[in-house]
Amino acid sequence: GAVVSQHPSRVICKSGTSVKIECRSLDFQATTMFWYRQFPKQSLMLMATSNEGSKATYEQGVEKDKFLINHASLTLSTLTVTSAHPEDSSFYICSARGAQRGFAGELFFGEGSRLTVL
Amino acid sequence: AQSVTQLDSQVPVFEEAPVELRCNYSSSVSVYLFWYVQYPNQGLQLLLKYLSGSTLVKGINGFEAEFNKSQTSFHLRKPSVHISDTAEYFCAVQGIQGAQKLVFGQGTRLTINP
Repeated sequence: GAVVSQHPSRVICKSGTSVKIECRSLDFQATTMFWYRQFPKQSLMLMATSNEGSKATYEQGVEKDKFLINHASLTLSTLTVTSAHPEDSSFYICSARGAQRGFAGELFFGEGSRLTVL
Repeated sequence: AQSVTQLDSQVPVFEEAPVELRCNYSSSVSVYLFWYVQYPNQGLQLLLKYLSGSTLVKGINGFEAEFNKSQTSFHLRKPSVHISDTAEYFCAVQGIQGAQKLVFGQGTRLTINP
């Protein structure tokens, strides 16, 4: 199946610093990418939807200035957690959709990135 | 908008026993339905999906699910579970039209006991 890669898989940072997480579609062009956040033992909550070349659409309650999303190319989207605080510690998962793989609506998920803010 | 309810947060089962994980959804439009599995500290792996056609869908690892439109359900089943099936299982729904966002249920933790 299609491969979506996230990097880094784990990151530990100090409070107040910014962290960037990359999401790449390795064998298809991702016209749309989604970013999810997952708290321990909970479900995935959609944070934002990004389309290549345009601004991301954020879900209600998600701070745009806190979680910067860039979808600069058809194979790469980045999530930057700015001025991270301990409450931002979570598991972040990206997913990608490409019309060329599977049916038009199918999503492929990355392996996830665990962020720990000290 | 769509919503998904997974009726059981935890399901303990003995090895080689059958299992059913329940999922009900709500939507004002036609939907696609999915089951994903998540192992600890990993992303999601697609088990199976219903797009159209036969209501009984077979997936990987011996799992299957049946779409019941009248009951708005998409329960996941496996006739005989293995220790390696221990994981978190998520049911998800996606509207066929519109934003096509994937909405997840709360998850069901399946624990297989020897």
